[in-house]
Amino acid sequence: GEDVEQSLFLSVREGDSSVINCTYTDSSSTYLYWYKQEPGAGLQLLTYIFSNMDMKQDQRLTVLLNKKDKHLSLRIADTQTGDSAIYFCAETTSGTYKYIFGTGTRLKVLA
Amino acid sequence: KAGVTQTPRYLIKTRGQQVTLSCSPISGHRSVSWYQQTPGQGLQFLFEYFSETQRNKGNFPGRFSGRQFSNSRSEMNVSTLELGDSALYLCASSLKASGEQFFGPGTRLTVL
Repeated sequence: GEDVEQSLFLSVREGDSSVINCTYTDSSSTYLYWYKQEPGAGLQLLTYIFSNMDMKQDQRLTVLLNKKDKHLSLRIADTQTGDSAIYFCAETTSGTYKYIFGTGTRLKVLA
Repeated sequence: KAGVTQTPRYLIKTRGQQVTLSCSPISGHRSVSWYQQTPGQGLQFLFEYFSETQRNKGNFPGRFSGRQFSNSRSEMNVSTLELGDSALYLCASSLKASGEQFFGPGTRLTVL
C-alpha cells in the first residue's frame, strides 16, 4: 500500500541544523519532494529528488535518500526562525498522476 | 508568471448545501490536482485532471466531483455538505505528469 510517515514535531535552536525524516512504503516511487507550509498558506516546493539519486544539495538544504530502507531526510543548515513551519514529504510514481503526502513535521526554531 | 489562484479563499456553508471551488493553474500547466487538508487526516488526494480528463481519484465519496475546462481551469464540487467536509482545499498544477506541483493558497471551507 501507499503510506508516507513523518514525526510530528521537531524543535531546534537558531543556528543549529535541523533534520526532518520521512519513510515511505511504495518501492516504485519515482520522485520524492519536500514542501514547506507556513500558517495560512499553501504548500511551497522546497526541493525534490529522483529515486535514482542518493543526495541533492541546494544552498542550506540537503536531501538524502536511502532507497533500500525507503527513508528520505531533509537537512536544513543554520536553521533560522523563518524556517519555522510544517514540512511535508511527498512521493509519486510515474504514470499514477497521484501524489502521496506525509503527515507533516512541525518545525519550531527557538531563538 | 502568476501562480496558482484559488477562489474563493474562504467559504461558510451549512450542512446539506453544495459548494463549488475554482482553481486557475499556472499558465501553460495542464495538470491540476486537488487535495483536502484537515488537522486529523493531513493532506488527502482528491483527484487529478489533465486535458479535461480525470486520470486518478482518491478515496472520497461520490459527493466530491471535479472537472477541468479547455483552458485548464478546474472546479471541484461537493454536494450535500457534511460537518466533516470542513477543511482547507488545495489545488496544485504541474507542467507535466509527475512533475513538480505548485500549490495555490487554498480555499478554507467551514461547514456549520
